Amino acid sequence: GAGVSQSPSNKVTEKGKDVELRCDPISGHTALYWYRQSLGQGLEFLIYFQGNSAPDKSGLPSDRFSAERTGGSVSTLTIQRTQQEDSAVYLCASSLGTGDGNIQYFGAGTRLSVL
Amino acid sequence: QKEVEQDPGPLSVPEGAIVSLNCTYSNSAFQYFMWYRQYSRKGPELLMYTYSSGNKEDGRFTAQVDKSSKYISLFIRDSQPSDSATYLCAIKFNNDMRFGAGTRLTVKP
Repeated sequence: GAGVSQSPSNKVTEKGKDVELRCDPISGHTALYWYRQSLGQGLEFLIYFQGNSAPDKSGLPSDRFSAERTGGSVSTLTIQRTQQEDSAVYLCASSLGTGDGNIQYFGAGTRLSVL
Repeated sequence: QKEVEQDPGPLSVPEGAIVSLNCTYSNSAFQYFMWYRQYSRKGPELLMYTYSSGNKEDGRFTAQVDKSSKYISLFIRDSQPSDSATYLCAIKFNNDMRFGAGTRLTVKP
């Protein structure tokens, strides 16, 4: 079916506001990943979900960041009290499973600008 | 030291040139190697992946891995303006995946 879908594609917000970013993975993919991409930087891992297991939150930069995945499908990344340094492209990826042979497929990302 | 080092460029070449993109990595535990291509305002798309040392060819693209030197390369033959994009290398071990910063390539007609 369709690829990984992310919304909104662009988000402009004021410092201190909360934002929610959505990711709809490829149907049947059990693993879902969130990354942050800043200008001139590589992809920074944030969090990943695998099936019904507890998520790996080791990449979340602060407690202002949280994510959930409902029903093993759609995921929402929430950033509370946004700061200017949160401005970046937030990318979501999904894969059939985990382990070496499972390839991650990316969405187009949400470009977040915090004024 | 970053897990994966990649020259960010930018790299500009004339159409038809051979392009060489490179990454080095520090941890020999990573066993799976990938190259992603990312067009402006798009998500990364998988270009090539390989597990073993040596070369893997796909059309105009060749991925090369040297595990002993912890060095990976992507070669593009007969480069086209449509190849203009940012190329990211990635290394993987189980669920742990690390990306290079990406090299921005421009192929001029």
